[in-house]
Amino acid sequence: AQTVTQSQPEMSVQEAETVTLSCTYDTSESNYYLFWYKQPPSRQMILVIRQEAYKQQNATENRFSVNFQKAAKSFSLKISDSQLGDTAMYFCAFMKQPSNTGKLIFGQGTTLQVKP
Amino acid sequence: EPEVTQTPSHQVTQMGQEVILRCVPISNHLYFYWYRQILGQKVEFLVSFYNNEISEKSEIFDDQFSVERPDGSNFTLKIRSTKLEDSAMYFCASKGQGRVYEQYFGPGTRLTVT
Repeated sequence: AQTVTQSQPEMSVQEAETVTLSCTYDTSESNYYLFWYKQPPSRQMILVIRQEAYKQQNATENRFSVNFQKAAKSFSLKISDSQLGDTAMYFCAFMKQPSNTGKLIFGQGTTLQVKP
Repeated sequence: EPEVTQTPSHQVTQMGQEVILRCVPISNHLYFYWYRQILGQKVEFLVSFYNNEISEKSEIFDDQFSVERPDGSNFTLKIRSTKLEDSAMYFCASKGQGRVYEQYFGPGTRLTVT
């Protein structure tokens, strides 16, 4: 069975600074996707970034990038130039590949507060 | 931009009562999901639904739970006889066929069982 662990329940960062959210996972699968989802207060969860396990290159989406360490089963999210709109709960998630169902396995979430 | 919607946003019910949580997935999506999050705990997978049948369900999804796509737009989760431990936020999600990895989530329904 797969597990996803986020060990930081809450974090804060000053606007314009950089913050890193941690995620570790456990799996015996060799192929999988990893994701970071963002859930702003009272709003839908939206996909921030994804990483395919077979790709060595770390994914990047504008100010968001990941540090994917497959051997260590670590998948951290770095947010550069933090903005007030980045304030949200962030979830790390795992999906094995291939998957007939697309089931996501989530971590506990990290609440990020960006301070002005 | 298309969104997944869920109703109601908050449902309060008494233990033992039946509840139906409703979701309207994105119109051309084919895969549908329910997840739940008990306060302070992880988001947990409940069930996935494709081609008018359950494709996978978790241990949580016992005989008290059922899902249905009664028409071309709605996707419902029914809890037949609610328990106190069913109190949670319930999220619906949907996924299209092309981009196989991305699920689109609704805002959730907070279910409170008293």
